[in-house]
Amino acid sequence: NAGVTQTPKFQVLKTGQSMTLQCAQDMNHNSMYWYRQDPGMGLRLIYYSASEGTTDKGEVPNGYNVSRLNKREFSLRLESAAPSQTSVYFCASTQLAGGGETQYFGPGTRLLVL
Amino acid sequence: GQSLEQPSEVTAVEGAIVQINCTYQTSGFYGLSWYQQHDGGAPTFLSYNALDGLEETGRFSSFLSRSDSYGYLLLQELQMKDSASYFCAVSSTDSTLTFGKGTMLLVSP
Repeated sequence: NAGVTQTPKFQVLKTGQSMTLQCAQDMNHNSMYWYRQDPGMGLRLIYYSASEGTTDKGEVPNGYNVSRLNKREFSLRLESAAPSQTSVYFCASTQLAGGGETQYFGPGTRLLVL
Repeated sequence: GQSLEQPSEVTAVEGAIVQINCTYQTSGFYGLSWYQQHDGGAPTFLSYNALDGLEETGRFSSFLSRSDSYGYLLLQELQMKDSASYFCAVSSTDSTLTFGKGTMLLVSP
């Protein structure tokens, strides 16, 4: 039981390049989330998917797109990377959104945009 | 919108007790959670309060006062391994968690 997995672990991009961050969970959770974490800023929600087939914007969605590929997988795409998107990206999942359900986090993807 | 306030840093010695406070302003409040994050690692869940009062889990306890929009995390018998960042997070009825900026706890011998 791997929990939440993310790929890649590290990535360096040049401004304007695109990439997709992959996330998968094997806990049969309904809800999945993408956060970014910057120094001194805590975790900020980019997009989330409360259930398979739905996606919604979070606090900082600009410059990102998401796809809930199936119940297990939730990807985050940067179409044209900018230095401001240098950050650590965490994916999380929970059985049922809302109600204080524990969120389980992946190990993170460290992204540097030059 | 949501906003949470917690101290940026707290220091303590091994064996001591430390309290990390969190105040929040939110609409659609459902509950208050606490997460721990060691440097470079993934956040991990510690506790959750939906109702007023104290929840105890081993050395960690968490308290909530909904009327005061206030909660705290209490860590007892501090150990070096408790050095980490601690985040309070508000669960909202829109199915999301909003995190505070985190409190870095430094435990010294």
